[in-house]
Amino acid sequence: KNQVEQSPQSLIILEGKNCTLQCNYTVSPFSNLRWYKQDTGRGPVSLTIMTFSENTKSNGRYTATLDADTKQSSLHITASQLSDSASYICVVRDLGGGADGLTFGKGTHLIIQP
Amino acid sequence: EAQVTQNPRYLITVTGKKLTVTCSQNMNHEYMSWYRQDPGLGLRQIYYSMNVEVTDKGDVPEGYKVSRKEKRNFPLILESPSPNQTSLYFCASRTTNGGAGKLFFGSGTQLSVL
Repeated sequence: KNQVEQSPQSLIILEGKNCTLQCNYTVSPFSNLRWYKQDTGRGPVSLTIMTFSENTKSNGRYTATLDADTKQSSLHITASQLSDSASYICVVRDLGGGADGLTFGKGTHLIIQP
Repeated sequence: EAQVTQNPRYLITVTGKKLTVTCSQNMNHEYMSWYRQDPGLGLRQIYYSMNVEVTDKGDVPEGYKVSRKEKRNFPLILESPSPNQTSLYFCASRTTNGGAGKLFFGSGTQLSVL
């Protein structure tokens, strides 16, 4: 069964510091991996997408990496801001026979303290 | 503006009283889906639809119904709500062309069943 595991479950850091969130998956065959940011009480919003051939992709202060061999991805946030406080969800898409093909991680809850 | 619109934003009801949560998208997306989000469990898929008149069960379909009579609308129906259906619900849509498939989420519906 396809699975997506995220760590840590929650994280508290001081404003201005960097942090890295992890995503390990067992989805096969792999199509792409996407990171979403979800503010409290709002719908998730896509941050980045990575396909098999991509190792790194940036979106402002967010940098995602992908190691397709070890089936791991990370999301690095540089110089954190209070507005980065949110849940970050890793979603992996497969190329299998299922029509939907999406497997969701449970998310990392990030709190930025002033 | 491209968006997914859910209504209502908040809903309090009593056990057994039928309700419908509406979802509409203006991006001409073929795919639409419903999720519920509970603390510690992440997003779980209820039902999805690949196109008009085509719907399929997700991971937690019990107690829910859907219909897709028009491309833009995908209502979620709870025929006889129970307290364990108290949750935060999200509707989402995406195109099915190509493999990227970024999901666009609505703002959510917070449902409380007393």
